[in-house]
Amino acid sequence: GNSVTQMEGPVTLSEEAFLTINCTYTATGYPSLFWYVQYPGEGLQLLLKATKADDKGSNKGFEATYRKETTSFHLEKGSVQVSDSAVYFCALSDPVRDSSYKLIFGSGTRLLVRP
Amino acid sequence: KAGVTQTPRYLIKTRGQQVTLSCSPISGHRSVSWYQQTPGQGLQFLFEYFSETQRNKGNFPGRFSGRQFSNSRSEMNVSTLELGDSALYLCASSTGDQETQYFGPGTRLLVL
Repeated sequence: GNSVTQMEGPVTLSEEAFLTINCTYTATGYPSLFWYVQYPGEGLQLLLKATKADDKGSNKGFEATYRKETTSFHLEKGSVQVSDSAVYFCALSDPVRDSSYKLIFGSGTRLLVRP
Repeated sequence: KAGVTQTPRYLIKTRGQQVTLSCSPISGHRSVSWYQQTPGQGLQFLFEYFSETQRNKGNFPGRFSGRQFSNSRSEMNVSTLELGDSALYLCASSTGDQETQYFGPGTRLLVL
């Protein structure tokens, strides 16, 4: 079945460092791909998405490109801030039938940014 | 536009009891999905409701059930609670014909 694999955390960076969180997927067909972020004690917030190959999703300085050839959707940010400390989840939409989808998530990567 | 709301935010129950969680989707959204988040299993899909009908179901026992009302609000019920049901339960809403889902803050359930 479809699945998502994320790099193990935690990832610890200094403020203004470059961030990469790796995400690869296994899927039949061409699912949409998502990054969600979870701050302590909160639910998931949609960070960005891409719906087809070579699409680049971006938001709040974060970017990720849908790479079909490498089945990857790595999250990047050029300069992280302390406020970016959170858990990041990569996910794909798994079509069940008709217009119904469920999200399949990776295990999450905790990011800790130090001042 | 108001986001997804979930009530209650926190809940403590004992084994054997039952619990009902509530979710109000974004206005205009007709699909509500439920997910369970635990440290061991991560985020797992429970079920999805669309137009008051369960359209999808994940691999959870029958103790987990749900329903959706005509205003798209949804409830999920867990009967005969077990310690392993302690988790963050997240509700997500979508239009019903698109893949993007928007999540609420979750209900944290602790079973003692």
